[in-house]
Amino acid sequence: QVQLQESGPGLVKPSETLSLTCTVSGGSISSYYWSWIRQPPGKGLEWIGHIYDSGRTDYNPSLKSRLTISVDTSNNHFSLWLNSVSAADTAVYYCAREKAGYNSYYYYMDVWGKGTTVTVSS
Amino acid sequence: DIQMTQSPSSLSASVGDRVTITCRASESIGSYLNWYQQRPGKAPKLLIYAASSLQSGVPSRFSGSGSGTDFTLTISILQPEDFATYYCQQSYGTPRTFGQGTKVEIK
Repeated sequence: QVQLQESGPGLVKPSETLSLTCTVSGGSISSYYWSWIRQPPGKGLEWIGHIYDSGRTDYNPSLKSRLTISVDTSNNHFSLWLNSVSAADTAVYYCAREKAGYNSYYYYMDVWGKGTTVTVSS
Repeated sequence: DIQMTQSPSSLSASVGDRVTITCRASESIGSYLNWYQQRPGKAPKLLIYAASSLQSGVPSRFSGSGSGTDFTLTISILQPEDFATYYCQQSYGTPRTFGQGTKVEIK
């Protein structure tokens, strides 16, 4: 059974770079999209972006200028870097697997990590 | 971006009730619509994909319907463990977007 685990600093200073890694265990990183989603305290879900195993990415335009997502297929993990952070980036960050149904293009996020809280504060 | 709007934002219901949550897309998205359940302090859990397909392991009291711009999530007989927040999400295009959530509370 595929499991995802987020890791990274829980506290980041304003204007610095937030860096998180999602480790995939129990399955291959190949042939799926791998996504980052965040949830500010008391608010809803915001899609950050995703990456395919080939390295193809799609980013949320609201974050694109500050965002990089990469994948390491050899070590079965993918990572997020968000630079120039501010208090508005304080959130629980989730990683998730996005797959398509059998023989279709209907994509959905079927496996999620538990989430990691990142606070931006000096 | 495709905007997703859920209604209501919250509702109160009793165990055994039938509950319906609606989701409207700002443009036609075919059946590229997913539903998730999120309990407090937990990650979202996929319930329904492709508007009406039940994810493996999800109880059959959950069902989804709709296409184009209007979608519905129905819980046929509300159980205690169903008190949670529900989100719709479109996968028609990027950026993927979520509805603002519907919180189902105990009456």
